Amino acid sequence: KQEVTQIPAALSVPEGENLVLNCSFTDSAIYNLQWFRQDPGKGLTSLLLIQSSQREQTSGRLNASLDKSSGRSTLYIAASQPGDSATYLCAVNAGNMLTFGGGTRLMVKP
Amino acid sequence: GAVVSQHPSRVICKSGTSVKIECRSLDFQATTMFWYRQFPKQSLMLMATSNEGSKATYEQGVEKDKFLINHASLTLSTLTVTSAHPEDSSFYICSARDSTGPVVGYTFGSGTRLTVV
Repeated sequence: KQEVTQIPAALSVPEGENLVLNCSFTDSAIYNLQWFRQDPGKGLTSLLLIQSSQREQTSGRLNASLDKSSGRSTLYIAASQPGDSATYLCAVNAGNMLTFGGGTRLMVKP
Repeated sequence: GAVVSQHPSRVICKSGTSVKIECRSLDFQATTMFWYRQFPKQSLMLMATSNEGSKATYEQGVEKDKFLINHASLTLSTLTVTSAHPEDSSFYICSARDSTGPVVGYTFGSGTRLTVV
């Protein structure tokens, strides 16, 4: 059974810092991995999707990497802003469904 | 990009009544949709997989008679919480799998906050 873990569970940083969110998964047989953002009381917004054959994807200040063999993915946020404050979820697609990590609650202080 | 519309965003109902939540894929056909439940400060818990034209597949521990799922068309799935009780109060989110493009991704609705009083 696929298990997805995110570290840290919560993170508070001052504005402007670069930061890394970590995601690990137990079964490397995946199709792709998605990073989502969730604001309080809202649904999920897809940030980046990395195919199993890819090593990384970039969108603006966000960069996600994937090391399938070691079961790890990271989400790098450059020059963090208060508007980045949210919960970040990684989800692994190993077939017909997504398996989510517990999320990282990020607070960026002005 | 793919858009999933979920309604209502908030609903308050009396204990014992039923509530229906709709999930629509707006610009793509979704043969498979997913229903999640989320408790405060926790991640999403998959409740069931909704398949167009067939019965939903429920996760272990999810009551089929309590959470009725109907996926009658390629763009609409509904979740009905029957005989709701306060412990059913939660945040419910639907998702649709978009397999029309070269990459299979998942798009989520905006969620429904259910409060049972």
